[in-house]
Amino acid sequence: AQTVTQSQPEMSVQEAETVTLSCTYDTSESDYYLFWYKQPPSRQMILVIRQEAYKQQNATENRFSVNFQKAAKSFSLKISDSQLGDAAMYFCAYRSGDYGGSQGNLIFGKGTKLSVKP
Amino acid sequence: EPEVTQTPSHQVTQMGQEVILRCVPISNHLYFYWYRQILGQKVEFLVSFYNNEISEKSEIFDDQFSVERPDGSNFTLKIRSTKLEDSAMYFCASIKDGLNSPLHFGNGTRLTVT
Repeated sequence: AQTVTQSQPEMSVQEAETVTLSCTYDTSESDYYLFWYKQPPSRQMILVIRQEAYKQQNATENRFSVNFQKAAKSFSLKISDSQLGDAAMYFCAYRSGDYGGSQGNLIFGKGTKLSVKP
Repeated sequence: EPEVTQTPSHQVTQMGQEVILRCVPISNHLYFYWYRQILGQKVEFLVSFYNNEISEKSEIFDDQFSVERPDGSNFTLKIRSTKLEDSAMYFCASIKDGLNSPLHFGNGTRLTVT
């Protein structure tokens, strides 16, 4: 079974600085997708960024980028120029790429609570 | 941009009562999901639904839970006899097609069982 591990329960960053959130996963599959979701205090789940395992190029979305190391099964999220609005829980998630398998359901890590200091 | 909508935003119920959580997925989406998040814990998969039937369910999704899509738009989660430990945030999600599509989550329903 696949697992997702986020080893940092809490992180803190100064406004305008850069922070990296860690995520590792375990799978025997070669085809899969990885996601970072943000959950602000409102508790809505907001997609931040996603990465297809078959793509070597790291995904980027404005100030958010990932460092995807497939061999190491690592998928970290880098937030540049941190803003107060970035304060939230961040969840790393895995989805199988096998249509006959999990039917697209996500496996989440336990989350990292990010605080942004002004 | 189309959204997944969930009602109510907060539901309080007494232990042993039946509760129905409602969701309206994005109209052209094909796969539908329910997830649960107990306060302070990670988001857990409950069930996926495709082509008018359950395609996968987790161990959490026991006989007390059921889902249906009665009218082609609403997607409901029913808990027959609620327990204290059912208190959680329940998220509905949908994807358009294919596993490459990202899940779109609703804002969640906070269920409190007293």
